[in-house]
Amino acid sequence: SQTIHQWPATLVQPVGSPLSLECTVEGTSNPNLYWYRQAAGRGLQLLFYSVGIGQISSEVPQNLSASRPQDRQFILSSKKLLLSDSGFYLCAWSVGTENTEAFFGQGTRLTVV
Amino acid sequence: AQSVSQHNHHVILSEAASLELGCNYSYGGTVNLFWYVQYPGQHLQLLLKYFSGDPLVKGIKGFEAEFIKSKFSFNLRKPSVQWSDTAEYFCAVNAPGYSTLTFGKGTMLLVSP
Repeated sequence: SQTIHQWPATLVQPVGSPLSLECTVEGTSNPNLYWYRQAAGRGLQLLFYSVGIGQISSEVPQNLSASRPQDRQFILSSKKLLLSDSGFYLCAWSVGTENTEAFFGQGTRLTVV
Repeated sequence: AQSVSQHNHHVILSEAASLELGCNYSYGGTVNLFWYVQYPGQHLQLLLKYFSGDPLVKGIKGFEAEFIKSKFSFNLRKPSVQWSDTAEYFCAVNAPGYSTLTFGKGTMLLVSP
């Protein structure tokens, strides 16, 4: 069966420090991968998605970037964190066809101080 | 681009009360529709989905949703809620050909025992 791993679960980082959140999927090949940010009362905002290795689409301009160095690995990064980057970040995957749901990781609570 | 509107941000019910959470989407073509739930401290998980066929969809834990195309709606219902249904509920949509999900802002449901 497929599983998705996201870490760390919580992270406290100072302003200006770098960020690297990692997400890996097991049990499937060539998944679509996503990074969402969840803010209270604002739902889930899609940040990045990827349909293949090295293919990244950005939905909103921001201080973050994403990379997909391997088929089932998706990384969310920042060179210098801002206070406004605090939030709950969710990684998700779906099968690369139209009619399918997305499966979510446990999320990372990032607090920038 | 598609968008999703959830009418209630917070709903408070007593156990055994009936539940209906509203969800409307804006998109002119065929859509796939989803309801996700996030229980306290847990990851986002799928409640039910609609791709085609019978517009009345039954999901886990006694939930159901009805797709009304003429109203662009996909409301979530449960005849009798339980305390364990306390969670945040998200409606989501994607259009065939687009793997990314668009989420509503979520509805926080609190069920008092």
